[in-house]
Amino acid sequence: DAGITQSPRHKVTETGTPVTLRCHQTENHRYMYWYRQDPGHGLRLIHYSYGVKDTDKGEVSDGYSVSRSKTEDFLLTLESATSSQTSVYFCAITDRTNQPQHFGDGTRLSIL
Amino acid sequence: GENVEQHPSTLSVQEGDSAVIKCTYSDSASNYFPWYKQELGKGPQLIIDIRSNVGEKKDQRIAVTLNKTAKHFSLHITETQPEDSAVYFCAASLGFGNEKLTFGTGTRLTIIP
Repeated sequence: DAGITQSPRHKVTETGTPVTLRCHQTENHRYMYWYRQDPGHGLRLIHYSYGVKDTDKGEVSDGYSVSRSKTEDFLLTLESATSSQTSVYFCAITDRTNQPQHFGDGTRLSIL
Repeated sequence: GENVEQHPSTLSVQEGDSAVIKCTYSDSASNYFPWYKQELGKGPQLIIDIRSNVGEKKDQRIAVTLNKTAKHFSLHITETQPEDSAVYFCAASLGFGNEKLTFGTGTRLTIIP
């Protein structure tokens, strides 16, 4: 299995609080992605990174920011969490062109 | 942007029978089509993928077919086993694995012993 660790695995928080999710990889892969998974929507891309300090938006980026200060860590931040951001969040990584994405086991986030 | 539709949303088959899941995509420039299997409490795991220069690919009991003209691709699982029960997702992208993936909405496959 690809060396991807997501933390925390579960979190419950209140509306309006900031939340940061972490994705840590031990594969030294260049590309990292954050997705959210909701019933009836499959997985949707939030943000992705193509290198240290290089990030770009996905299709559902509103309300989220990301940072990547080193190759192994990709952080997803909800500056002021809303109930609509209750979801399961997955991180994925890939090495280079022509390689598939591999996923972590997710973070279940509940915002009350 | 790309849109991927997946059918059916649920599928039940008798153990030993075959299962087929179908996806259609909208962007004719898409050229990479992976399939993922997701078990409860886990992240999606790649089970097979196909690129647009290939019409079919097999890996033991799993096969994927691609029809570029019709813009659809299908997952075929033969001789189904109880451990095949899971949620399956198709996806499409413009690149070769490092590009943004657009996913279908998933198919919950149940194998009946």
